[in-house]
Amino acid sequence: GQQLNQSPQSMFIQEGEDVSMNCTSSSIFNTWLWYKQDPGEGPVLLIALYKAGELTSNGRLTAQFGITRKDSFLNISASIPSDVGIYFCAGLASSNAGGTSYGKLTFGQGTILTVHP
Amino acid sequence: DGGITQSPKYLFRKEGQNVTLSCEQNLNHDAMYWYRQDPGQGLRLIYYSQIVNDFQKGDIAEGYSVSREKKESFPLTVTSAQKNPTAFYLCASRPDNTDTQYFGPGTRLTVL
Repeated sequence: GQQLNQSPQSMFIQEGEDVSMNCTSSSIFNTWLWYKQDPGEGPVLLIALYKAGELTSNGRLTAQFGITRKDSFLNISASIPSDVGIYFCAGLASSNAGGTSYGKLTFGQGTILTVHP
Repeated sequence: DGGITQSPKYLFRKEGQNVTLSCEQNLNHDAMYWYRQDPGQGLRLIYYSQIVNDFQKGDIAEGYSVSREKKESFPLTVTSAQKNPTAFYLCASRPDNTDTQYFGPGTRLTVL
């Protein structure tokens, strides 16, 4: 089946530093989603990307849909302690709108982010 | 207050017992999903449902069963046939004509 490789697996940074993480796949995806999960909670959607080359921001977060459709990147600027958590990428191979993909997402393994004050 | 609710937050069961996890949403979403999460791994799809009275197996359906009798509810039963049921279980739903899934708070199941 489809797989997403997410890296790095974990990051330890100082407050104020910028963070970059990415997901790559051997398959083409038409939608990329980025989620954040706090310990013991469900993932919360951060950014959704629907078009190759798209660059979307949400506050200090910026995500990009790779031109090849096989990768996506998430950047966090000026990290703060509450950025701590697990960040997941998720991809959808074909759009559900009018299609039959049934919204079956493929998830990366997650990036564990630790921010030291 | 709209959203997805899962109950209970923590659940303990003895080995060999079936257990049912609740998932309710008042978002009027047709599609609902169940995922399993193990430490250090991404989410794996157990079952999904596009409409009432219809559901499909995901990637790891063995040892699980679901029902979808109402649009708002998609309960998951972890049966005694599931070899390693201890995990964090997440329910999600998706609005029509979008690809974005929204997650509930999760249920942590521990089988003793």
